[in-house]
Amino acid sequence: QSALTQPPSASGSPGQSVTISCTGTSSDVGGYNFVSWYQQHPGKAPKLMIYEVSKRPSGIPERFSGSKSGSTASLTVSGLQAEDEADYYCSSYAGSNNVVFGEGTKLTVL
Amino acid sequence: QVQLQESGPGLVKPSETLSLTCAVSGFSISSGYYWGWIRQPPGKGLEWIASIYHTGITSYNSSLKSRVTISVDTSKNQFSLKLGSVTAADTAVYFCARQEVGLRAQYWGQGTLVTVSS
Repeated sequence: QSALTQPPSASGSPGQSVTISCTGTSSDVGGYNFVSWYQQHPGKAPKLMIYEVSKRPSGIPERFSGSKSGSTASLTVSGLQAEDEADYYCSSYAGSNNVVFGEGTKLTVL
Repeated sequence: QVQLQESGPGLVKPSETLSLTCAVSGFSISSGYYWGWIRQPPGKGLEWIASIYHTGITSYNSSLKSRVTISVDTSKNQFSLKLGSVTAADTAVYFCARQEVGLRAQYWGQGTLVTVSS
């Protein structure tokens, strides 16, 4: 299992939108609609932000949205706020009760 | 409210076995879901280690499978991880989590730092 590919960094100004990509293969992202996104602030446990490609858990703002095309999933954060500055990780079901994470993207709010 | 809490030694010697336990409250493990371990080396990304279904069915990351054992104790409402023959590369924050459909980690423990050093 190779880690899913994410850009190391992304940035945007408050109020702007930013999109983070997550590229896998037909064995993970492309093969299942079980892509999740996590937000992690320094020293904290990750927090589930998106699941099953585009669903939001209760309490997650609508500013966070997810999508997928082929073997690439994307997380879009609209109306950037200072508290959105964090590391973001994607993950995908990879078959046979396996899961693989992305390399992580550090989002900076300028 | 589902809560998970990791416990175990914070320091393990090279070549020894790392043992961690995750105590679950607010939900009975025997009621369902997968329960998993995920780790994060300092300054690096997340890595899935292993998961166990409430019935005892297990799945392991192929890169760690030869050294890992995950088990569940429904009577104590907890599950455990053993990682053998550890090296400095196994130094990480270890998280336990409740995993739902597609193995998404819905609930996480706070994490525990395990350092491998003599």
